[in-house]
Amino acid sequence: SQQGEEDPQALSIQEGENATMNCSYKTSINNLQWYRQNSGRGLVHLILIRSNEREKHSGRLRVTLDTSKKSSSLLITASRAADTASYFCATDASNTDKLIFGTGTRLQVFP
Amino acid sequence: KAGVTQTPRYLIKTRGQQVTLSCSPISGHRSVSWYQQTPGQGLQFLFEYFSETQRNKGNFPGRFSGRQFSNSRSEMNVSTLELGDSALYLCASSPGPQADTQYFGPGTRLTVL
Repeated sequence: SQQGEEDPQALSIQEGENATMNCSYKTSINNLQWYRQNSGRGLVHLILIRSNEREKHSGRLRVTLDTSKKSSSLLITASRAADTASYFCATDASNTDKLIFGTGTRLQVFP
Repeated sequence: KAGVTQTPRYLIKTRGQQVTLSCSPISGHRSVSWYQQTPGQGLQFLFEYFSETQRNKGNFPGRFSGRQFSNSRSEMNVSTLELGDSALYLCASSPGPQADTQYFGPGTRLTVL
């Protein structure tokens, strides 16, 4: 079964608005990553947050991690049409070296 | 550095046939992982190779196999293809064996008729 599940499954917003996606996972982790995938293409790494970190920023991206709740959120501020893609969280469970991907959130940003 | 490359990009096969997909990692990367992506099952981990050894394996039948060469290039093979094997197969490389940042190739779209 999937280690991570994203919520919501799909999100539609207007350009300029903020988009928030959530990821929940099941086991203790070493780190959590977020990836973006444009339709039918490979995934692109966005940001990695380690289990001892609570918040990380990269440009318009802000990621938070709450290990007590086993959850993470990805915030994209001032969204653009080019942000339209699927977003996946991926966790590296503490007891394995496998990177397990969540189910993804499909983000649609309308111009 | 050149990115991860996968060949072929598109492939059409019929049931019962076998297929071999190829992945060339980023220069210097020793770990190669393979994933299967379908609309129904999402992104599923197949296996990871590091220094020519399989380190981890997902929950796939024995029809799915792989190998890694001394130059870190990797191949995966699917024998006795089934309709359900139709998917986007993604390869990713990383510098070391830990599941750190993965660099993905564009994928191979396999259609089984």
